[in-house]
Amino acid sequence: AQTVTQSQPEMSVQEAETVTLSCTYDTSESDYYLFWYKQPPSRQMILVIRQEAYKQQNATENRFSVNFQKAAKSFSLKISDSQLGDAAMYFCAYKRGGATNKLIFGTGTLLAVQP
Amino acid sequence: GAGVSQSPSNKVTEKGKDVELRCDPISGHTALYWYRQRLGQGLEFLIYFQGNSAPDKSGLPSDRFSAERTGESVSTLTIQRTQQEDSAVYLCASSLAPDRGSNQPQHFGDGTRLSIL
Repeated sequence: AQTVTQSQPEMSVQEAETVTLSCTYDTSESDYYLFWYKQPPSRQMILVIRQEAYKQQNATENRFSVNFQKAAKSFSLKISDSQLGDAAMYFCAYKRGGATNKLIFGTGTLLAVQP
Repeated sequence: GAGVSQSPSNKVTEKGKDVELRCDPISGHTALYWYRQRLGQGLEFLIYFQGNSAPDKSGLPSDRFSAERTGESVSTLTIQRTQQEDSAVYLCASSLAPDRGSNQPQHFGDGTRLSIL
């Protein structure tokens, strides 16, 4: 079975600084996708960034980028120039390729941004 | 609105009662998912609908849990004889059909917070 592990329950970063959130996963599949979701106190899950496993290039979305290490099964999220609005719970998620579309989530990392 | 809508936003009920949670997906999204999020935890998959059928219901924790979907729109998640361990936030998500590209992103609603007394 596939699993997703986030080993940092909480992280803190100063405003304008850079922070990296860790995620590892376990799978025997070759076709899969990885995601980072942000969940503010409003509870809504917001997609931050996604990565296709077949792509070697790391995904980037403005201040958010990932370090995808396929052999190590690692998928970390880097937030540059952190802003107060980045404070939230961040979840790493895995989805197997093909018709099955369910997401498997890690337990999350609570990110605090200090002014 | 254009997003996934869930109701009620909060539900408090007594142990043993039945509850029904509702999800309105984004128009045109044929795929619909239910997840459960216990306090301080990640999301656990419950069930996946493609149209009216549920090809994957492997996450339903017991036979007290059931879900249905009418047409390619509204879905209801029903929990019978609620127990205290059912207390959680229940999140619904929708997406375009997987056959239009297996990386269709899932769009989430705000969830229903269920509290069992």
